Amino acid sequence: GAVVSQHPSWVICKSGTSVKIECRSLDFQATTMFWYRQFPKQSLMLMATSNEGSKATYEQGVEKDKFLINHASLTLSTLTVTSAHPEDSSFYICSARAPGHSSYNEQFFGPGTRLTVL
Amino acid sequence: GENVEQHPSTLSVQEGDSAVIKCTYSDSASNYFPWYKQELGKRPQLIIDIRSNVGEKKDQRIAVTLNKTAKHFSLHITETQPEDSAVYFCAARPGGYSSASKIIFGSGTRLSIRP
Repeated sequence: GAVVSQHPSWVICKSGTSVKIECRSLDFQATTMFWYRQFPKQSLMLMATSNEGSKATYEQGVEKDKFLINHASLTLSTLTVTSAHPEDSSFYICSARAPGHSSYNEQFFGPGTRLTVL
Repeated sequence: GENVEQHPSTLSVQEGDSAVIKCTYSDSASNYFPWYKQELGKRPQLIIDIRSNVGEKKDQRIAVTLNKTAKHFSLHITETQPEDSAVYFCAARPGGYSSASKIIFGSGTRLSIRP
């Protein structure tokens, strides 16, 4: 139980285009999901907290107009990187808590999406 | 906001020896401290966690200790094996209702086990 998936697993796009990444909780409902960015050989940096049915909460320094988050259902959150540039190239990972799971504190991570902007 | 510092950034130990990774956190209200193992290109996997009302927790070869007064917590791996080679991240969940259960990660430790 408590499986999180992401789609796509990798994407290559041209500079200036927008890319949407999906995060799904497969066997549980997640009112809250989290989006992280990880550069090579670096840590996971929390970008934003995605709240079902309301606006996302962004961490300091993260541009909300650049990284659009939509959490329209209890099993799906999307992250759209708008007008992507090469410096946006990174590994994007989502996570979610699973209420009712045996370890209620635990966050379950998706497999990540590797974005490369040419 | 919460800041989590982790040391060392790299660690190499002989197979069979112990490895210790240390972290400090800044928010005294932090109440949950998970440790994650991440292999190259993979998602982080929770290996052990501890809550603020517990000082120590052990799971087979892995143990975590927490010193709330000093705001330190550590990961101990005993009898290390080649498959323990990975990047390990500590994390902390800041206190307060507005934190919404988010966790903040340390910078990571690349652990290498020498055969």
